[in-house]
Amino acid sequence: AQSVTQLDSQVPVFEEAPVELRCNYSSSVSVYLFWYVQYPNQGLQLLLKYLSGSTLVKGINGFEAEFNKSQTSFHLRKPSVHISDTAEYFCAVSGGSGGGADGLTFGKGTHLIIQP
Amino acid sequence: NAGVTQTPKFQVLKTGQSMTLQCAQDMNHEYMSWYRQDPGMGLRLIHYSVGAGITDQGEVPNGYNVSRSTTEDFPLRLLSAAPSQTSVYFCASSRDNSGNTIYFGEGSWLTVV
Repeated sequence: AQSVTQLDSQVPVFEEAPVELRCNYSSSVSVYLFWYVQYPNQGLQLLLKYLSGSTLVKGINGFEAEFNKSQTSFHLRKPSVHISDTAEYFCAVSGGSGGGADGLTFGKGTHLIIQP
Repeated sequence: NAGVTQTPKFQVLKTGQSMTLQCAQDMNHEYMSWYRQDPGMGLRLIHYSVGAGITDQGEVPNGYNVSRSTTEDFPLRLLSAAPSQTSVYFCASSRDNSGNTIYFGEGSWLTVV
């Protein structure tokens, strides 16, 4: 079994400030890790994913995440946020035989609020 | 390039009614699944399929049926809708289970009154 914990349900940040959205996971097998973004009343868009290799993963819209196996974390970062980054962000994990659409376990989401 | 298409986008049902949420993908993906999204709960897996003719239950399967007669389509059926099934439903697909990109539909907003 696997689980994902997003430590903050809501993160307010001023525009142009840096942000970190925290994600911890637990799994008994090797995992794939994902960050998705959901804009209001829209579907999910993949920001980035970690499958293997380099622990620092770069994604779209200037986001990056670092996989830390010892701390079982996959925190999402952006050095300077914009108003358009206001959205819900989901961390997800899959692993074992469930590395596709069949096996994603999501965190509860973090609402990123950008203040002008 | 349509990707994953869900219909309808919005639906209001009365308690006890039945309906089918449609999901179709044009990428020849083997893996398809349905998730529901509830406030503060993230997305939870309802049912999934790893190929035509093969389906299995996810975390929250009660009250839902699925079938996979073709590679392209994966409908989700609510046999007797309940207010607890008020939610946003997402269909997803992937080529396989090796971490390749998972594609999501735009979502179906369902209200059961």
